[in-house]
Formats: sequence, structure tokens, C-alpha cells
Amino acid sequence: DIHLTQSPSTLSASVGDRVTITCRASQSVSKCLAWYQQKPGRAPNLLIYKASTLHTGVPSRFSGSGSGTEFTLTISSLQPDDFATYYCQQCESFYPGLTFGGGTRVEIK
Amino acid sequence: QVELVQSGAEVNKPGAAVKVSCQASGYNFSDHYMNWVRQAPGQGLEWMGWINPNGGGTTYAQKFEGRITVTSDTSINAVYLELRNLRSDDTAVYYCARDPGQLAALSHFDAWGQGTWVTVSS
Repeated sequence: DIHLTQSPSTLSASVGDRVTITCRASQSVSKCLAWYQQKPGRAPNLLIYKASTLHTGVPSRFSGSGSGTEFTLTISSLQPDDFATYYCQQCESFYPGLTFGGGTRVEIK
Repeated sequence: QVELVQSGAEVNKPGAAVKVSCQASGYNFSDHYMNWVRQAPGQGLEWMGWINPNGGGTTYAQKFEGRITVTSDTSINAVYLELRNLRSDDTAVYYCARDPGQLAALSHFDAWGQGTWVTVSS
């Protein structure tokens, strides 16, 4: 299995802060990694795919980087709409299953 | 615009089966794999499997092999998830999620259904 470990699990930040979330894979996933944002009671929304490609319509304050086993999602200036939970997901291997990280909750400081 | 509309909430007893539907619109249905992802209360996301509507080929997460069947009906642009032998830990929100790849899976998800609550309780 490819396990994804996100850190931190919870992050307290203020509007305007630069925020960085890390996702570490138990083995290389090349650049096959996506990031999603999920708000309570809602389905996830795709933010970034192929580690660093911004999905259509996603604000440019979101960016992704990394390859192999270490990846980051950065929000350059946190906005009120960004308080949510963020998940990474590897797309390198679907055996025994595509996997998600455990999530990072970004809350208001 | 791409829209995925799922069937309503279900309550089922342990040992029973559930079938959840996902109706797609706004794109060429046969061109895109469709996935099922679930989320237990207060927990993270868990991929269950996918179907290629163009031919009906499926791949399932090993954890669900033997209990899951995903089917599609291209005449009405719908995908179905059947999960059998339900247990209490199958209580979750179940999402259908589209793969953006054209005729080949990219294995990430660019559009999601609204989710279907499935409760397993005696």
C-alpha cells in the first residue's frame, strides 16, 4: 500500500497568513498527487493535480509542489473562504487502492 | 456544466445490501471513468473503485473485493454502486466522483456528486 501522511493534522491561522501543508508518501508516487478542499457537509473540490497544476477556477493563492515522496500545498494569503479540511490523494497506484491522506483541518486562530 | 446527482439517503440492516445511483449530465458520459469514494462520520476519504462506462470494465479496492459491484447504464448516463453484506462500519457518506481523463484514467477527481448517506443499523 502507499500510505500518505499529512501534517499538521490541525492548523490554526489568521486571514492573510501564508499556510503550508505537507503530504508524505510511504513510497514514490512521482508527481501523481492531487489536493482537495472539503467544507463541512459538502463534497470535496479538486484544487491541484499532478502535484502542481492548478485546477480550472481555483484561485492562484493556492499552489502545490513536490515529487517522489514529499509534497506541499501552500495558500499564499489565507482568505475567510479557505477555512476547511484539505486532503492529498495519490494516483500512482490503484492496488490495493487509490489512497488519501488523513486530512489537515485549517481553523481560525 | 458537469453535474452528478445521487440517490437519496438509505437505512439498512446489517447483512443487507444497498444500491446507490449517480446520474451524470453535462458531458460525454462514456468518455470518463467514474469512481466511488466514501467518508465515515468524522473520518477521511476512502476510494472504493471505478468503472469505465465505455465497456463496463471495473477496478475495485482490495478491501471491498467480493462485496462491491459497480455498474453503468450508458442509455441513461447513470452509474450504480452496490455494496453487500453491510456492517455497521459501512455507515458513511458515499460519493460518486468523475475522473477528468478522456478515455483513460488520470486517477484524480474533478467533479463529485452531492453524497448519499448510508446508515447501517439494526
